[in-house]
Amino acid sequence: EAGVTQFPSHSVIEKGQTVTLRCDPISGHDNLYWYRRVMGKEIKFLLHFVKESKQDESGMPNNRFLAERTGGTYSTLKVQPAELEDSGVYFCASSQDRWEQYFGPGTRLTVT
Amino acid sequence: AQSVAQPEDQVNVAEGNPLTVKCTYSVSGNPYLFWYVQYPNRGLQFLLKYITGDNLVKGSYGFEAEFNKSQTSFHLKKPSALVSDSALYFCAVRPRSGSARQLTFGSGTQLTVLP
Repeated sequence: EAGVTQFPSHSVIEKGQTVTLRCDPISGHDNLYWYRRVMGKEIKFLLHFVKESKQDESGMPNNRFLAERTGGTYSTLKVQPAELEDSGVYFCASSQDRWEQYFGPGTRLTVT
Repeated sequence: AQSVAQPEDQVNVAEGNPLTVKCTYSVSGNPYLFWYVQYPNRGLQFLLKYITGDNLVKGSYGFEAEFNKSQTSFHLKKPSALVSDSALYFCAVRPRSGSARQLTFGSGTQLTVLP
């Protein structure tokens, strides 16, 4: 069974540019989560999809971040325009039940 | 608000010795508790969870964790460390009540097992 995949693995952009991160969850997993880890601190929740619907987006830092999940399959997280403080590692996770979340390898975003 | 504390950024232990990675939490009620591990260039991997029942939980790769309600702790332990255990370890919690399913993580502890 393929795991959660994320693309790209690393992105370097300039302040003010736009970046789109992609996450492909494990096939059949209805729940999809985005998290990020900024500057070696704790991993923080961004939002939660159930199928194509946003269940909880309380962790989204501001309206520069836009997440979508087309047809309840893959998800994208767009940052527009990017700011320096957006640098960090963005993780995606998926789950089918209430407990175990399976994480992808993360996308390291560097905003210069 | 809920929070997780991992008081040690770095833990060093000699191979073959027991290891402990500490975690305390602040959550109303009794949360669900988790440990994840991240190896270099890999995603977080699930190690173990506490849902209910026995306070000592056994997980992958010989790890175990003990839930202590009075001390609000969930320390990760292993009787005999391996060099291959060197990685970044995260403790996480999730409220038992309510519909929220997201995890709240600690800041991580880098474990280095010395040969």
